[in-house]
Amino acid sequence: DIQMTQSPSTLSASVGDRVTITCRASQSISSWLAWYQQKPGKAPKLLIYKASSLESGVPSRFSGSGSGTEFTLTISSLQPDDFATYYCQQYNSYSPFTFGPGTKVDIK
Amino acid sequence: QVQLQESGPGLVKPSQTLSLTCTVSGGSISSGGYYWSWIRQHPGKGLEWIGYIYYSGSTYYNPSLKSRVTISVDTSKNQFSLKLSSVTAADTAVYYCARAKAGQLGAFDIWGQGTMVTVSS
Repeated sequence: DIQMTQSPSTLSASVGDRVTITCRASQSISSWLAWYQQKPGKAPKLLIYKASSLESGVPSRFSGSGSGTEFTLTISSLQPDDFATYYCQQYNSYSPFTFGPGTKVDIK
Repeated sequence: QVQLQESGPGLVKPSQTLSLTCTVSGGSISSGGYYWSWIRQHPGKGLEWIGYIYYSGSTYYNPSLKSRVTISVDTSKNQFSLKLSSVTAADTAVYYCARAKAGQLGAFDIWGQGTMVTVSS
């Protein structure tokens, strides 16, 4: 299986901060990567697919980049609604889909 | 607006079979173009993909669970289902059903609210 890692595991930030989360895959996954936001007691919400494509309805302050084995999710100006846990997930064909362990973004 | 809703027992005894159903509303499974998955989340932990099914019935399961998993589809009821056999306490989790577009078959754009399943005698 393709293993996914994320850093940091926890991030403390303030409203208005620029936030970057890194995700790494154990082997190349081309651009088959998605990012999700999850709040307590809720299902994950798709933010980014194919590494850099913004899902419809997601604010433009969210952006994704990368290919191969290293990816980033950036929130350009953190808003109160953005405090949550973020997961990356690879969906390379012919390999079981796997998620990263998550990055919790909390209030500094 | 497509919506997904999981249903099934919240408590299952060890060694028994966990059975859940996902009902799709606002769209038809049989129209094609989407893959329908089950995903679970152990309490306080990360996410684990279980497997998917296409409307035609073709499936792909996570090898770590493959020997115990069956996913099926009932297009007449616009539902798909999960069966997980020989459950143990390690199968206690919130179970989600989710949709992904063909072409982005692992990017889950719509999720159910999730249902908590506890394995306990």
